[in-house]
Amino acid sequence: GESVGLHLPTLSVQEGDNSIINCAYSNSASDYFIWYKQESGKGPQFIIDIRSNMDKRQGQRVTVLLNKTVKHLSLQIAATQPGDSAVYFCAENSGQNFVFGPGTRLSVLP
Amino acid sequence: DAGVIQSPRHEVTEMGQEVTLRCKPISGHNSLFWYRQTMMRGLELLIYFNNNVPIDDSGMPEDRFSAKMPNASFSTLKIQPSEPRDSAVYFCASSPSREAFFGQGTRLTVV
Repeated sequence: GESVGLHLPTLSVQEGDNSIINCAYSNSASDYFIWYKQESGKGPQFIIDIRSNMDKRQGQRVTVLLNKTVKHLSLQIAATQPGDSAVYFCAENSGQNFVFGPGTRLSVLP
Repeated sequence: DAGVIQSPRHEVTEMGQEVTLRCKPISGHNSLFWYRQTMMRGLELLIYFNNNVPIDDSGMPEDRFSAKMPNASFSTLKIQPSEPRDSAVYFCASSPSREAFFGQGTRLTVV
């Protein structure tokens, strides 16, 4: 039969606008979450993390929001730049093991 | 620190051959992970070690795959015999506590 590749959701954003990337996680026992950025030909790169006792954490140009009630994470990137173009993964951790989401491709339009 | 170092960066091999992927974790990190990334399945955890001891190998696809960590600074992932469906990018990551840091990956092509 015909094989089907993993279809990555794609978010296209105008340069300078804000980006919001969403992620649903599955394990209600997960107590630690990370957002990773993966550029073409490279390994995932740590962006920001958040523990389950928080609902918001800010970094440089990035903010992560955690809603435990609906098991939802979001990554907000302010003033999106061409260098932000990449695939973004959320990862959940309930011990020592990380489980990754399927990823979202962010495309920054000039 | 140079980060997690993987070798080789690219490997092309014929079906049936043995393939060994290598990883040097970040010094001082006590956990090491092997992941496989494909278009079909995304990032999949194969196995992880804590203090050089395999903790969870439930993600290892089958007996053709094996991983070792003989000391805190080195790990290998071996595929014997390799098959075309093993073609993927294999990542090693290490962690000091919760966050994991990834290497650049090994792109494996089995023809």
